[in-house]
Amino acid sequence: EADIYQTPRYLVIGTGKKITLECSQTMGHDKMYWYQQDPGMELHLIHYSYGVNSTEKGDLSSESTVSRIRTEHFPLTLESARPSHTSQYLCASSESAEGDTEAFFGQGTRLTVV
Amino acid sequence: QKEVEQNSGPLSVPEGAIASLNCTYSDRGSQSFFWYRQYSGKSPELIMFIYSNGDKEDGRFTAQLNKASQYVSLLIRDSQPSDSATYLCAVDRGGADGLTFGKGTHLIIQP
Repeated sequence: EADIYQTPRYLVIGTGKKITLECSQTMGHDKMYWYQQDPGMELHLIHYSYGVNSTEKGDLSSESTVSRIRTEHFPLTLESARPSHTSQYLCASSESAEGDTEAFFGQGTRLTVV
Repeated sequence: QKEVEQNSGPLSVPEGAIASLNCTYSDRGSQSFFWYRQYSGKSPELIMFIYSNGDKEDGRFTAQLNKASQYVSLLIRDSQPSDSATYLCAVDRGGADGLTFGKGTHLIIQP
């Protein structure tokens, strides 16, 4: 079983609040990712990181930001939550070996903005 | 826009039969192909990955890849009710990092 953890699992928050979704992995993986998934829809890559101090935007434009100060930690922040941010957010990590992009997922954070 | 297409289903298969799941992708630069299983309300878990043309078998699962046709499939032999889930096809982003996912096929194994 992959050692990647997300907190909180569920979050209901009011519009305009600042929130940070936490993601930590203990596998020493260099690469980490954030995906967004609406019910019944595909996962969309919103952010990824090659390693410490590296962050990149994914295919889907997102108002969220990420940081990678430590290898094991890849938090996602929304400065001002809106109802349109309601979704499931999935964090993943993978080894950096070339050709190996197998990703292990955390349990996800289901965010509801009211 | 790089795309991964799957039939959303539901695909209903009797217990013990072979379930066949299909996926096509648009980016010819993609080299790595993955099948994930996702139970309702849970996160995706990796079932199989394949990099080379042909078949790759792992227990009851066989992944098939045809890069010329840009086609990936997953066969599940001796289907069990516990195989009922959504199966996500994922493809690497052709040199960029991360994966592009299809919407998934909802598989139902009928006891």
